[in-house]
Amino acid sequence: DIVMTQTPLSLSVTPGQPASISCKSSQSLLHSNGKSYLYWYLQKPGQPPQLLIYEVSNRFSGVPDRFSGSGSGTDFTLKISRVEAEDVGVYYCMQSIQLPRTFGQGTKVEIK
Amino acid sequence: EVQLVESGGGLVQPGRSLRLSCAASGFTFADYGMHWVRQTPGKGLEWVSGISWKSGNIVYADSVKGRFTISRDNAKNSLYLQMNSLKAEDTAFYYCAKGDYYDIIRSAFDIWGQGTMVTVSS
Repeated sequence: DIVMTQTPLSLSVTPGQPASISCKSSQSLLHSNGKSYLYWYLQKPGQPPQLLIYEVSNRFSGVPDRFSGSGSGTDFTLKISRVEAEDVGVYYCMQSIQLPRTFGQGTKVEIK
Repeated sequence: EVQLVESGGGLVQPGRSLRLSCAASGFTFADYGMHWVRQTPGKGLEWVSGISWKSGNIVYADSVKGRFTISRDNAKNSLYLQMNSLKAEDTAFYYCAKGDYYDIIRSAFDIWGQGTMVTVSS
């Protein structure tokens, strides 16, 4: 199984400041079709996970443009340009290049 | 509005069975692969099983293989998870999740239900 490792595991951010979360996979997520199968989810308190970013850098419908994803191969990053109060929760990366799907441990983001 | 609503969770004794259901609405259910994902405080998010649009491709996590059975009824816009020989370690919140493609090989989850809690305890 592909192991997904996120850092940091927690983050305390002042509103309006940027935040960055790293995700590393134990195997390359680049498929021969040229796509990289790395996804980012946010689980707000008391809610199911919601898709933020698909295939490394594409924002899902309705996701604010302050969220951006980047990376390639085995190293990926989620950035929030200016954190808002509604961004609190746990962020997960997930790979979908092979089954079983595997998730990172999660990064808890809170507001200072 | 795209919606997934799970039901069927509850308290069950070890070794017993439980069947989860997921009712889908707001999209053409028959066009997409579907998945079950569970979440425990200790182990985080764990993919459980996936089924392709016409049920031709079904895959399970090793932790549930031989005990759980995923199925779907496209006429009823419904997804199911039959869980047999339940163990304490199956205790988790179970989410139904819509795939973003008709197959499950590389599909991710773009819509999640609110989940249903399964507790396995004597």
